[in-house]
Amino acid sequence: TQLLEQSPQFLSIQEGENLTVYCNSSSVFSSLQWYRQEPGEGPVLLVTVVTGGEVKKLKRLTFQFGDARKDSSLHITAAQPGDTGLYLCAGENYGGATNKLIFGTGTLLAVQP
Amino acid sequence: NAGVMQNPRHLVRRRGQEARLRCSPMKGHSHVYWYRQLPEEGLKFMVYLQKENIIDESGMPKERFSAEFPKEGPSILRIQQVVRGDSAAYFCASSPVPDRRTQYFGPGTRLLVL
Repeated sequence: TQLLEQSPQFLSIQEGENLTVYCNSSSVFSSLQWYRQEPGEGPVLLVTVVTGGEVKKLKRLTFQFGDARKDSSLHITAAQPGDTGLYLCAGENYGGATNKLIFGTGTLLAVQP
Repeated sequence: NAGVMQNPRHLVRRRGQEARLRCSPMKGHSHVYWYRQLPEEGLKFMVYLQKENIIDESGMPKERFSAEFPKEGPSILRIQQVVRGDSAAYFCASSPVPDRRTQYFGPGTRLLVL
């Protein structure tokens, strides 16, 4: 069974601070996706990383896919209250009959003004 | 371009009743996935469908749960004889052809079984 562990599970920081969320697995994935979910809503896709070692930037968010495609990280610079939410990583194995996502355990981020 | 639509957003059922959850994928998307988010747990895959076909139902409970995606109309997740343990948020996602790796999620249906 493929599992994705996220750390930390909870994070409460002040506006302006930096933070990093980790997503780790013993399994290799074809791609790794990051989502943000707000209360009462569905997950919203932030980014997809495909190549081992790939780095993608989305404004203040930097995503990295591990060289071995088993882990990923999300770094937020100068966090804002609007960044508050549940961050989920999800691994996917492309090319088979299904593209089901294996979701991580989630990181709940609260950014205090 | 409207996103993935799910209805109802909230559904309350008594034990033993049936629950029907509907999902309309994004326009042009022919792949639908259903996921369940139980309280204090992460999102778990349930079933993957294409029009008129179930491709992967490895995450579906063996009994009481069924899913369909007819040629016309929305995808339906049906739960018969609901029990309290079925209370959860059920999310539908759709993806286009050929980029099946990108899944767009709907807002979910929150099912509460009394």
